[in-house]
Amino acid sequence: GENVEQHPSTLSVQEGDSAVIKCTYSDSASNYFPWYKQELGKGPQLIIDIRSNVGEKKDQRIAVTLNKTAKHFSLHITETQPEDSAVYFCAAITTGTASKLTFGTGTRLQVTL
Amino acid sequence: DSGVTQTPKHLITATGQRVTLRCSPRSGDLSVYWYQQSLDQGLQFLIQYYNGEERAKGNILERFSAQQFPDLHSELNLSSLELGDSALYFCASSSDPGLYNEQFFGPGTRLTVL
Repeated sequence: GENVEQHPSTLSVQEGDSAVIKCTYSDSASNYFPWYKQELGKGPQLIIDIRSNVGEKKDQRIAVTLNKTAKHFSLHITETQPEDSAVYFCAAITTGTASKLTFGTGTRLQVTL
Repeated sequence: DSGVTQTPKHLITATGQRVTLRCSPRSGDLSVYWYQQSLDQGLQFLIQYYNGEERAKGNILERFSAQQFPDLHSELNLSSLELGDSALYFCASSSDPGLYNEQFFGPGTRLTVL
């Protein structure tokens, strides 16, 4: 089955700096890669996603890049703000009729003033 | 607010007991997913239902079972509970079970087994 590795496990940046979280996946058949943000006491919330036929996608301060050959994808957050502090999960979906998300282990991002 | 509701918010029970977690998907969503989040295992997919039928199974124990009812709400039943079953249980829903669909997560049920 799919295996998703995520690094780093914790990340501390100063407000205004950029943050980068990286994930690798094992199943070359995976072709959809969402990123979720989980705030304390809440469920994961989708913040951006990318399909395997796209190399990069951007939404305001958030961008995701995908390298299919290397089987890795990254989340980039620019101009970080304190409200970006949360746990971020990458995920990959195996092909087929069922969308079975395999999550990375999470990155705890702390944005300090 | 994702539109997915889960009850109860917290549940405390003893080993060997049985509990039922409930999930109501977003209006119009036919697919329901259950996930377990624990400190040592992270977020793990348990099972998926689509329009009342089981669609996919993940790392779900035999002591656990789920179902989706005609009104599309779903229940996750956990029996013969063990200390290690203490975790956050999330339900998510989506409009269809295919690829590229966004899954909306509920706020979760925190289960504590004493």
